[in-house]
Amino acid sequence: NAGVTQTPKFQVLKTGQSMTLQCAQDMNHNSMYWYRQDPGMGLRLIYYSASEGTTDKGEVPNGYNVSRLNKREFSLRLESAAPSQTSVYFCASALSSYEQYFGPGTRLTVT
Amino acid sequence: DQQVKQNSPSLSVQEGRISILNCDYTNSMFDYFLWYKKYPAEGPTFLISISSIKDKNEDGRFTVFLNKSAKHLSLHIVPSQPGDSAVYFCAASESGDYKLSFGAGTTVTVRA
Repeated sequence: NAGVTQTPKFQVLKTGQSMTLQCAQDMNHNSMYWYRQDPGMGLRLIYYSASEGTTDKGEVPNGYNVSRLNKREFSLRLESAAPSQTSVYFCASALSSYEQYFGPGTRLTVT
Repeated sequence: DQQVKQNSPSLSVQEGRISILNCDYTNSMFDYFLWYKKYPAEGPTFLISISSIKDKNEDGRFTVFLNKSAKHLSLHIVPSQPGDSAVYFCAASESGDYKLSFGAGTTVTVRA
């Protein structure tokens, strides 16, 4: 039982490049989330998916897109990376709306 | 505008003493509150929660207190241990909402 897994763990992009962050959970959770963590800002919600087939914007969605591929997988795409998107990205899942389980994070640097 | 605020970025405490972490919120619709703990290079892990129908919840060395009228909650860790050195995030949610709002975090350092 791996919980929430994220790939890659680290990534360096040049401005304007695109990439997709992958997330998968094996806990049969309905809801999945993408956050970014920046110093002094805590965890800010980018997008979430309350159930398979639905996605909604969070607090900071600009510059990102998501896909809920199936119940297990929720990906985050940066179409044209910018230095402001340098951050640590966390994926999370939850059975109910409260207690969320987090993955280990992806550290992204955009130069 | 941040709805959950942790005004102390850091806290240093001696091993064996009490750690008190504070959290304030502005949204009166929040009715469920959680604390998460995060070690470097790992994802946050759930620590303890409290519903707005309670004013205290205890789990071992960890106790969370909720003061709804003041829109304030606190996490007490007694006694503090070196393994408690981590970043602690306060989070809050409304009934039926699928989202959590997080504070900026407090870094706790437990000195031997």
